[in-house]
Amino acid sequence: GAVVSQHPSWVICKSGTSVKIECRSLDFQATTMFWYRQFPKQSLMLMATSNEGSKATYEQGVEKDKFLINHASLTLSTLTVTSAHPEDSSFYICSARDLAGGPTDTQYFGPGTRLTVL
Amino acid sequence: AQSVAQPEDQVNVAEGNPLTVKCTYSVSGNPYLFWYVQYPNRGLQFLLKYITGDNLVKGSYGFEAEFNKSQTSFHLKKPSALVSDSALYFCAVRDGNNAGNMLTFGGGTRLMVKP
Repeated sequence: GAVVSQHPSWVICKSGTSVKIECRSLDFQATTMFWYRQFPKQSLMLMATSNEGSKATYEQGVEKDKFLINHASLTLSTLTVTSAHPEDSSFYICSARDLAGGPTDTQYFGPGTRLTVL
Repeated sequence: AQSVAQPEDQVNVAEGNPLTVKCTYSVSGNPYLFWYVQYPNRGLQFLLKYITGDNLVKGSYGFEAEFNKSQTSFHLKKPSALVSDSALYFCAVRDGNNAGNMLTFGGGTRLMVKP
């Protein structure tokens, strides 16, 4: 159980275009989803936390107008990288927390999306 | 503030030998501790967690971790390493007393198991 999927797994786009990444919890409902960014050989950097039906909370230094997050349902959150530039190239990972859980619950992670901006 | 330290960037071990991946943490409230594994170009896979109770926690794929409150450590262990265990391992902590309950990750440790 507790499967999180991401789509697409790999995307290459031209500079200036926008890219949407989907994150779905397949077998559980997630009130809270998290978006992380990971640079090569580095740890995960939390970008934002999204709660279903409300605006996302962004971490310091993350541009909310550049990384648009929508959490429209209990099983789907999307991250849109707007006007992407080569420096946005990275591995983006989403994570979801089970609706039924409290502070002891586990976060489950998606397989990640590798974005390459040319 | 909460933090996690994984002092070793890489751990090398021969197949069949025991392995240990170290983790120490700092948190003001009750520590909820997690280990995740990441294979190349993949997301993180949950291995085990400590919330309360027995200090020795058993998880997936034969891994276990021991919570040591006095040393603020949560080292990951396995009695006999497999080549397929080679991956990137992350320790994470959450403050159980904090309503925000954010996970904070360590920098990761690359485990290399050689045949």
